[in-house]
Amino acid sequence: DAKTTQPPSMDCAEGRAANLPCNHSTISGNEYVYWYRQIHSQGPQYIIHGLKNNETNEMASLIITEDRKSSTLILPHATLRDTAVYYCIVSGGAQKLVFGQGTRLTINP
Amino acid sequence: DTGVSQDPRHKITKRGQNVTFRCDPISEHNRLYWYRQTLGQGPEFLTYFQNEAQLEKSRLLSDRFSAERPKGSFSTLEIQRTEQGDSAMYLCASSLEAGQGGGYTFGSGTRLTVV
Repeated sequence: DAKTTQPPSMDCAEGRAANLPCNHSTISGNEYVYWYRQIHSQGPQYIIHGLKNNETNEMASLIITEDRKSSTLILPHATLRDTAVYYCIVSGGAQKLVFGQGTRLTINP
Repeated sequence: DTGVSQDPRHKITKRGQNVTFRCDPISEHNRLYWYRQTLGQGPEFLTYFQNEAQLEKSRLLSDRFSAERPKGSFSTLEIQRTEQGDSAMYLCASSLEAGQGGGYTFGSGTRLTVV
């Protein structure tokens, strides 16, 4: 079973920041938080991952709370092409990725 | 780096027939994973290989399913005596050995329709 809880759907206006929450209250010390997204009819795409510290790359920022029980994926300037299902996954280094239902993010013009 | 390639992209087969899918991972990735995804659901883990060794199989992988990764390069997933319930997207992913950072790279999947 997935170790994360995400809202089933969210909406965001184009050009605004999209903030996607994820709860992972049972995360272990050696487990990373991964974010993937899946655009319709394509395979999941890696976005970002982190252990303790906040992370930023060209796609997004990942904010992990100090107790590591929750995190937020931030898409700073959402575009229509960011419409997708976003998956938050907790996984240790030797473990497979276990996907939940994800959050269906819709970017509105 | 050409990414993860899966072939075919689409497959329609009659119930009871056997089908085989192929996955070519990123060349330097020693781990390869198979997932299955049905409409509206997240991908479900089926099995994974480290090099040529199959290290884990999900209970979802019934006796009709078999996966191989000869020589630790490409992998095949065969489904024998297909059933309508096998209709799904079959996804392949590859990664460096766990703990080396980064994430999985997924292919575009093979969509199987059993009629």
